[in-house]
Amino acid sequence: NAGVTQTPKFQVLKTGQSMTLQCAQDMNHEYMSWYRQDPGMGLRLIHYSVGAGITDQGEVPNGYNVSRSTTEDFPLRLLSAAPSQTSVYFCASSYSWRGTTDTQYFGPGTRLTVL
Amino acid sequence: KNEVEQSPQNLTAQEGEFITINCSYSVGISALHWLQQHPGGGIVSLFMLSSGKKKHGRLIATINIQEKHSSLHITASHPRDSAVYICAVTIRGGSRLTFGEGTQLTVNP
Repeated sequence: NAGVTQTPKFQVLKTGQSMTLQCAQDMNHEYMSWYRQDPGMGLRLIHYSVGAGITDQGEVPNGYNVSRSTTEDFPLRLLSAAPSQTSVYFCASSYSWRGTTDTQYFGPGTRLTVL
Repeated sequence: KNEVEQSPQNLTAQEGEFITINCSYSVGISALHWLQQHPGGGIVSLFMLSSGKKKHGRLIATINIQEKHSSLHITASHPRDSAVYICAVTIRGGSRLTFGEGTQLTVNP
């Protein structure tokens, strides 16, 4: 199993550009989530999904969209990038829809810089 | 005040020392996680606890639900244990993790 994969590893955007961060898992996990990690702050939840077709907002959802058309994929879209979205983004998954009472598996992260 | 507080924020130890990292939380929880973030950035789950104690190799995690406190212990520490250790909780009735800010551990040879 490849586990949780994320692409790209690094990305530089200009303010106002859009892009999609890709996340995929091959473990048939129901729960998937996106976090951002900023210096001096803990990981913060952006959006999560408890199964295909079901998504919900986390703690910091503004400026981001998600969809979950398949069990495997959970892309994160930045519609109009802003410097405040400069961060390291992690995708995570876990086995059951209960999500956070299962072992969490994290992707390697995407380092995004918005100029 | 954060719902999850870790101490210390930074910890430097000599190889072989016994290390303790603490995590306190202020809400009712259904699970507590200890994660390790390597210097390269990857995050790995070490433990998930809802009660008692778990052990894996040189790592031991304990939780006291009544006192809302958990500890992560590393016995016979080694430079490869150098990493950021993160505590996270699932608030009871919720479906999301709340994270502490992490403890930066450096183990010198």
